Amino acid sequence: ETGVTQTPRHLVMGMTNKKSLKCEQHLGHNAMYWYKQSAKKPLELMFVYNFKEQTENNSVPSRFSPECPNSSHLFLHLHTLQPEDSALYLCASSPERDYEQYFGPGTRLTVT
Amino acid sequence: GENVEQHPSTLSVQEGDSAVIKCTYSDSASNYFPWYKQELGKRPQLIIDIRSNVGEKKDQRIAVTLNKTAKHFSLHITETQPEDSAVYFCAARDNFNKFYFGSGTKLNVKP
Repeated sequence: ETGVTQTPRHLVMGMTNKKSLKCEQHLGHNAMYWYKQSAKKPLELMFVYNFKEQTENNSVPSRFSPECPNSSHLFLHLHTLQPEDSALYLCASSPERDYEQYFGPGTRLTVT
Repeated sequence: GENVEQHPSTLSVQEGDSAVIKCTYSDSASNYFPWYKQELGKRPQLIIDIRSNVGEKKDQRIAVTLNKTAKHFSLHITETQPEDSAVYFCAARDNFNKFYFGSGTKLNVKP
């Protein structure tokens, strides 16, 4: 259960705040992902990093800014968010980009 | 792009019965199909997967079948138990290694 960790687990922020979500994987994987999970909607892929390089940006608004300093860490920097951005943000990792993914516990984000 | 549809959205079964969840996909080039189980308040966890060169895969009470011609794949859970209650997601990976998820099925196993 400690393979992929995320902090914080819960976050409440105002629309003018700047915050960051952190993901860390201890599995030796080379690919990492950010997903958004909203109520009653499918999991939405946001960003993909493979060997620290961003290989996919799924038309995500610029108020979400990812950062991958190394293969074990992934950040999601948030600024000027909207209430509709409130959701569960899940990080995942996989050995390489086309292998099965392992999810972190998620950060429950509420934008007020 | 790929479009994955999942049915039903909710499923209620009696303990001991079987449960079947079906997903359809649109891109015939999709080649990998994982299933995830997400218990309330927890992360999605991979429970079984199947690749396009295989028609069926089984792991104890869980099985997945793939029909490439019809472009659908199904999750079968036999002898259901209350701890099987969760939301189940299917996914398809396209030729560009991009994952598309179904909308989820909430399974309730009644004791």
